[in-house]
Amino acid sequence: DVKVTQSSRYLVKRTGEKVFLECVQDMDHENMFWYRQDPGLGLRLIYFSYDVKMKEKGDIPEGYSVSREKKERFSLILESASTNQTSMYLCASSSSQGSNYEQYFGPGTRLTVT
Amino acid sequence: AQKVTQAQTEISVVEKEDVTLDCVYETRDTTYYLFWYKQPPSGELVFLIRRNSFDEQNEISGRYSWNFQKSTSSFNFTITASQVVDSAVYFCALMNNNAGNMLTFGGGTRLMVKP
Repeated sequence: DVKVTQSSRYLVKRTGEKVFLECVQDMDHENMFWYRQDPGLGLRLIYFSYDVKMKEKGDIPEGYSVSREKKERFSLILESASTNQTSMYLCASSSSQGSNYEQYFGPGTRLTVT
Repeated sequence: AQKVTQAQTEISVVEKEDVTLDCVYETRDTTYYLFWYKQPPSGELVFLIRRNSFDEQNEISGRYSWNFQKSTSSFNFTITASQVVDSAVYFCALMNNNAGNMLTFGGGTRLMVKP
């Protein structure tokens, strides 16, 4: 079974703090993704990575950065958290092999910035 | 640009009713993939189905069925004889062949099945 884990289910941070959200997958997937989920807006892609040390901007990268030093780990960084970054953050991974294309999701981190 | 629209933000039904969740998509690509995911209260998205643009055959899996109509750019999802455990948020998503496995999601439909 594919397993995608995220470091925290709930997180509360103050405005201006630096925030790290960690994601780990155990299926040797090449692709990893960070989304944020807001009511009525569905999931929006922040960044994705198709290989170690590679990253691509998604639809809403402003205010975020990412790091992928190892294949299994993809970190999302909020350099200076703001209240409008209060949201649910979901990590996903998928394989580049074959034609499956299915993305496997972690349980999410609900971040509150006060 | 790609877009996925789920016009129904919330649907409430009574157990054993049939319910259809609508999904309309926009893309300029001729090769693309459509997905449905379920998000139960626990939060983790669960993959339900993937369809490619060349396969318009409808699919049935137990109480779930999907109707793909390329002519109307729709990929609707029907639950027959709904159960309380079907209560969740359902997302429709689109991936084009050249997007590096990136998904474009609709806004989601919250389904509430009452006993």
